[in-house]
Amino acid sequence: HAGLTQPPSVSKDLGQTATLTCTGNSNNVGHQGAVWLQQHQGHPPKLLSYRNTNRPSGISERLSASRSGTIASLTIVGLQPEDEADYYCSAWDSSLTGWVFGGGTKLTVL
Amino acid sequence: EVQVVESGGGLVQPGGSLRLSCAASGLTLSNFWMTWVRQAPGKGLEWVATIKEDGSDKYYVDSVKGRFTISRDNARSSVYLQMSSLRAEDTAVYYCASMYMGYWGQGTLVTVSS
Repeated sequence: HAGLTQPPSVSKDLGQTATLTCTGNSNNVGHQGAVWLQQHQGHPPKLLSYRNTNRPSGISERLSASRSGTIASLTIVGLQPEDEADYYCSAWDSSLTGWVFGGGTKLTVL
Repeated sequence: EVQVVESGGGLVQPGGSLRLSCAASGLTLSNFWMTWVRQAPGKGLEWVATIKEDGSDKYYVDSVKGRFTISRDNARSSVYLQMSSLRAEDTAVYYCASMYMGYWGQGTLVTVSS
């Protein structure tokens, strides 16, 4: 399955803002919207947002998700050490009839 | 509290079979599509299979079609992944998840090796 495109790594200073991007097409991100997942080393993924902008209860308000056309974005403000993790986007692809994932972005907080 | 627990992983020889189970509690499983996602050591997440709420439709990534079968028993609040003709490249941690609701298990490790 063709995947979504994410930058492999992003590095930001403590307290700064990071914006992670996820590029898909009209059959996935542009249609069903994206989910964003956070994964710390050795732990299962954790849902951060779904259908582009919805944030599950318990997720920090420092995180926000958006979509513009076929590009989904996750913005984290006021970066904290605990934000250092791998971030994955995913979307249901109506053409492939399956979930597609991005390769993940490793966020480093300096 | 919602809990999702996978089991059934282990070491299996190439060509062998394994059945993974996913037990959910604290939710009405019959309301949700359920998905298996795997993660090979040091790699990213990969979708494996998805099943609709009532089991009427099932979807698979091309690399497992004809080898893996996803099923569910809503009365037992469980989802299964029957894996056969296993290959070394199937080695991964397998997660059971409701993608939109964010319910994920801790995963179960499947190692295919002789």
